[in-house]
Amino acid sequence: RKEVEQDPGPFNVPEGATVAFNCTYSNSASQSFFWYRQDCRKEPKLLMSVYSSGNEDGRFTAQLNRASQYISLLIRDSKLSDSATYLCVGVDSNYQLIWGAGTKLIIKP
Amino acid sequence: NAGVTQTPKFRILKIGQSMTLQCTQDMNHNYMYWYRQDPGMGLKLIYYSVGAGITDKGEVPNGYNVSRSTTEDFPLRLELAAPSQTSVYFCASRTTSGAEWYEQYFGPGTRLTVT
Repeated sequence: RKEVEQDPGPFNVPEGATVAFNCTYSNSASQSFFWYRQDCRKEPKLLMSVYSSGNEDGRFTAQLNRASQYISLLIRDSKLSDSATYLCVGVDSNYQLIWGAGTKLIIKP
Repeated sequence: NAGVTQTPKFRILKIGQSMTLQCTQDMNHNYMYWYRQDPGMGLKLIYYSVGAGITDKGEVPNGYNVSRSTTEDFPLRLELAAPSQTSVYFCASRTTSGAEWYEQYFGPGTRLTVT
C-alpha cells in the first residue's frame, strides 16, 4: 500500500457545486496531515492543515478519520479559481513530508 | 523577501552532461529540500538539509549530489545526466520553530529535459 494515496481524478465539477475528495494513508505517514494546492506548472502551496477535530477555512473543510485512515477535503460553492491539483500530505516519524500524487479538480462554468 | 528562488527555470541537457541547479532562500530557514516531480506524480524527496554543513539522502538520491555551505544556498548537482532525470525539480525550505513549522515554501521549479 502506498503511504499516501489519492484518486488522481480529474473531478469535473460545475461552478457553485460542492466537491469532496479523500486521501488514504498508511501508518508510516500518520503523524500530521496537510492539504497543498498546486496550480498547473507551478509550485505547491499550503492550503490547510488537518486537525483531529476537523477544521474549516472559508469554503474549505478538512477532516481526519484515524479509525479508517483517511483524510478528506470538502470545497463548497466551488469557484473557477479552485481548479488545481490538490496534494494530500502526511508526515512520518522523522517529520518528513510524504506526498500523495494529487487529485486534479476542474471547475466548469 | 524574495522567498525561495531557483535558477535556471528551464534547461535541456544532453545525456552525460552535468549541471548544477541553484536554490537560495532569504527567510533564514534551517531546513531545505530538493524534490523532483514527474508528470502526474507526487513529489519525491531527493536530498534534504537541516542546516549548514549537514545534508542527508531522501527517497531518490542516486545520480545527484548536494552541498550546504551557507544557510541560504542549497545547490543540487547532476552528474552524467540520464533521460530518467527528465523532471521538474523543486527546492523548498521551512522553519523549525513556531506554530507554522510544517509549512514548506517552494521555489518556482526548474524544468529539466535530458535528451
